[in-house]
Amino acid sequence: GQNIDQPTEMTATEGAIVQINCTYQTSGFNGLFWYQQHAGEAPTFLSYNVLDGLEEKGRFSSFLSRSKGYSYLLLKELQMKDSASYLCAATTMFSGGYNKLIFGAGTRLAVHP
Amino acid sequence: DGGITQSPKYLFRKEGQNVTLSCEQNLNHDAMYWYRQDPGQGLRLIYYSQIVNDFQKGDIAEGYSVSREKKESFPLTVTSAQKNPTAFYLCASSITGSRAGELFFGEGSRLTVL
Repeated sequence: GQNIDQPTEMTATEGAIVQINCTYQTSGFNGLFWYQQHAGEAPTFLSYNVLDGLEEKGRFSSFLSRSKGYSYLLLKELQMKDSASYLCAATTMFSGGYNKLIFGAGTRLAVHP
Repeated sequence: DGGITQSPKYLFRKEGQNVTLSCEQNLNHDAMYWYRQDPGQGLRLIYYSQIVNDFQKGDIAEGYSVSREKKESFPLTVTSAQKNPTAFYLCASSITGSRAGELFFGEGSRLTVL
């Protein structure tokens, strides 16, 4: 089957570092995406990993291990505005060769002063 | 500015009524998608379209219908056959190819059945 697992909730302190883990099982895996979603709003794209290793983009980094079916999103220097849900999504293939995203349920991060 | 526009943002429906959610994009993307989001669950794919005049069922298509007569537009109709239609509906678009998972989302439409 196809499955994405990530923790339901996390809390952290302003200025700290937090790591959100994601494990996945999909057929025809092509890459791993992370999205940020503030309450009541649409998700916005954060990162994309297709090869093993770390991708750094400012305060956010994302890591992928294809052999382990594992990814994490690392948020540094946390700010209050980082309080949001973080969605892990893995690609699989539609019939016809198109990519399809399987989403996890999201990790709700609360940043406290 | 390029983007995706969904309307209405909030919609109330009586049981037995069909409703249509609008989705328009000016990003020149070939692919468009409709997702449903329920509390505590991941986004689930309802329908998708890779090109004009073609669309395919996603994982939870029962009780929904779509059309793709223009590249810019991908409306979703929630029919009376959908048993639990109260949800947050998200329209998205993307390029096709290897980065097709980089989705651009509209602001969403929240449907409540009374």
